[in-house]
Amino acid sequence: DQQVKQNSPSLSVQEGRISILNCDYTNSMFDYFLWYKKYPAEGPTFLISISSIKDKNEDGRFTVFLNKSAKHLSLHIVPSQPGDSAVYFCAASQISSGSARQLTFGSGTQLTVLP
Amino acid sequence: SQTIHQWPATLVQPVGSPLSLECTVEGTSNPNLYWYRQAAGRGLQLLFYSVGIGQISSEVPQNLSASRPQDRQFILSSKKLLLSDSGFYLCAWGRSTDTQYFGPGTRLTVL
Repeated sequence: DQQVKQNSPSLSVQEGRISILNCDYTNSMFDYFLWYKKYPAEGPTFLISISSIKDKNEDGRFTVFLNKSAKHLSLHIVPSQPGDSAVYFCAASQISSGSARQLTFGSGTQLTVLP
Repeated sequence: SQTIHQWPATLVQPVGSPLSLECTVEGTSNPNLYWYRQAAGRGLQLLFYSVGIGQISSEVPQNLSASRPQDRQFILSSKKLLLSDSGFYLCAWGRSTDTQYFGPGTRLTVL
């Protein structure tokens, strides 16, 4: 049972245009959502996050939108740059035990920004 | 600033051999620590997490175990590796806030 889904395994975008990566979730207990960027043979790098009490969070070229009623979030990258080419993981968080937060990851979307 | 280290970076082991992967965190105290695995072409799967020394929670029953002998040290072990244990193993740290920060990972190939 995939609680976090990224239905597009890959996305190609022209340099300078907008990249939109999508993510859907099923568990209404998730209260925090994160996006990570990953290059091959490296650990994921945290990009941006959003609390379930908000519907938008912006950080430079990256904006995350959350639609709680649709259980959907998206990451917008504007303008896209060739260095943005990587696998992007959506993750959803809920309290596990004590102070631990459990992250559930989607399967990732490979973004390729074409020069 | 905080840094997280993992070693070895790459490991090739025969089936049935033991495993020990180590993760250490610098620049913070009493972090929550996590082990994840990424199998080929798949997302990250949480294996274990720890909220303190000697406290381990397992998310997926399998051939692996974890230990936390010191505050900033997290070890992933196996007594006998299986072919299906191959993958990219990631250690992460976090606090009661929500973001987790990942180490560089260990590529394990079981032959």
